[in-house]
Amino acid sequence: GQNIDQPTEMTATEGAIVQINCTYQTSGFNGLFWYQQHAGEAPTFLSYNVLDGLEEKGRFSSFLSRSKGYSYLLLKELQMKDSASYLCAVSLKLTGGGNKLTFGTGTQLKVEL
Amino acid sequence: DTGVSQNPRHKITKRGQNVTFRCDPISEHNRLYWYRQTLGQGPEFLTYFQNEAQLEKSRLLSDRFSAERPKGSFSTLEIQRTEQGDSAMYLCASSPSGRALLGTGELFFGEGSRLTVL
Repeated sequence: GQNIDQPTEMTATEGAIVQINCTYQTSGFNGLFWYQQHAGEAPTFLSYNVLDGLEEKGRFSSFLSRSKGYSYLLLKELQMKDSASYLCAVSLKLTGGGNKLTFGTGTQLKVEL
Repeated sequence: DTGVSQNPRHKITKRGQNVTFRCDPISEHNRLYWYRQTLGQGPEFLTYFQNEAQLEKSRLLSDRFSAERPKGSFSTLEIQRTEQGDSAMYLCASSPSGRALLGTGELFFGEGSRLTVL
């Protein structure tokens, strides 16, 4: 089975840095995705890690430790528009090569002035 | 717009009625997925197509749910005899494969079809 944990809510200040943690226990692993979802909108891809270490992409970075079953998403220079839900998802490979994503419940980030 | 398109965006129905949702994936994507999302939860996997073949279905998917992708392009998700517990956002996603796969294999989601069962 799959078990993915992330905090339900976080609050941070505009211009600051925030780290959203995700821990997982899964049978099988083909990478970990982070998605952003604004209320009423589609989830949009932020990052993907399959090997241990840090992936940096502009203001967003994501880290993975497979041995610890742990990932985090780091958001720098927070902007008001970063207020959204951040979804951690573990991938399993499907027949035919697709990715089956199992999502956590999401972390609702609120950015305040 | 070349993103994933879903219709209708909103559907309100009475318990016991049948509903059908349509998904048009990104044109060069041959992999298509259906997910369901309820308030405060992450999306939950329902089913997966590679071209027209349905290769995986969630064990959580009751026999009232059926999905098709007859020509390997658009897909439909039908829910028969709807129940109040079916109220959710139904998300479709697509991803490329083969020579079109230049990225991480991430899923591209549509904006969803919101179902309310009264």
